[in-house]
Amino acid sequence: NAGVTQTPKFQVLKTGQSMTLQCAQDMNHNSMYWYRQDPGMGLRLIYYSASEGTTDKGEVPNGYNVSRLNKREFSLRLESAAPSQTSVYFCASRLEYGYTFGSGTRLTVV
Amino acid sequence: AQTVTQSQPEMSVQEAETVTLSCTYDTSESDYYLFWYKQPPSRQMILVIRQEAYKQQNATENRFSVNFQKAAKSFSLKISDSQLGDAAMYFCAYRRGYGNKLVFGAGTILRVKS
Repeated sequence: NAGVTQTPKFQVLKTGQSMTLQCAQDMNHNSMYWYRQDPGMGLRLIYYSASEGTTDKGEVPNGYNVSRLNKREFSLRLESAAPSQTSVYFCASRLEYGYTFGSGTRLTVV
Repeated sequence: AQTVTQSQPEMSVQEAETVTLSCTYDTSESDYYLFWYKQPPSRQMILVIRQEAYKQQNATENRFSVNFQKAAKSFSLKISDSQLGDAAMYFCAYRRGYGNKLVFGAGTILRVKS
């Protein structure tokens, strides 16, 4: 099925641990995004990649790094997880006006 | 920076009735796009409707329509003949014309009563 695939769907981390959230799309979209969703704050952009080989900071990039491995894949890394990074994370890709979102990763940092 | 404001954290509507969700935005751009997304409990983000700022005609998709007031920077969503399946979180979003970033409001939870 065409779309955006995120893994894992759920994760619990201890403070200070690291992990990488994976995202892949099979729609040949150039642009990809990572958002976080917190109650009362909507979705906020962490990082985005306008095309393969480029990445840019969004609204809330602190504590995160990203890699645009190829046109299909865009990963988000937490080097040292903090409780403030407890959130639901969404990956998305875009072609012109249409954004396609993954199903999200619920991350809890304890 | 562009901002999107949804002033209604929660709304309720009786099944088969009409409800309007509010959204205002702040921008100095003349070319932009506005969106409404639905997020049911499954967490999936579903595009409901899109409006191009250069179009004067309000967008409509079946039971969903918008009231786009460009001068007032207002973009409300009207849901007619509400159904139980419409219960979800609704997000208003903005994107600059040639921009990349989608900016979201805080969301409105819509509850549908039978």
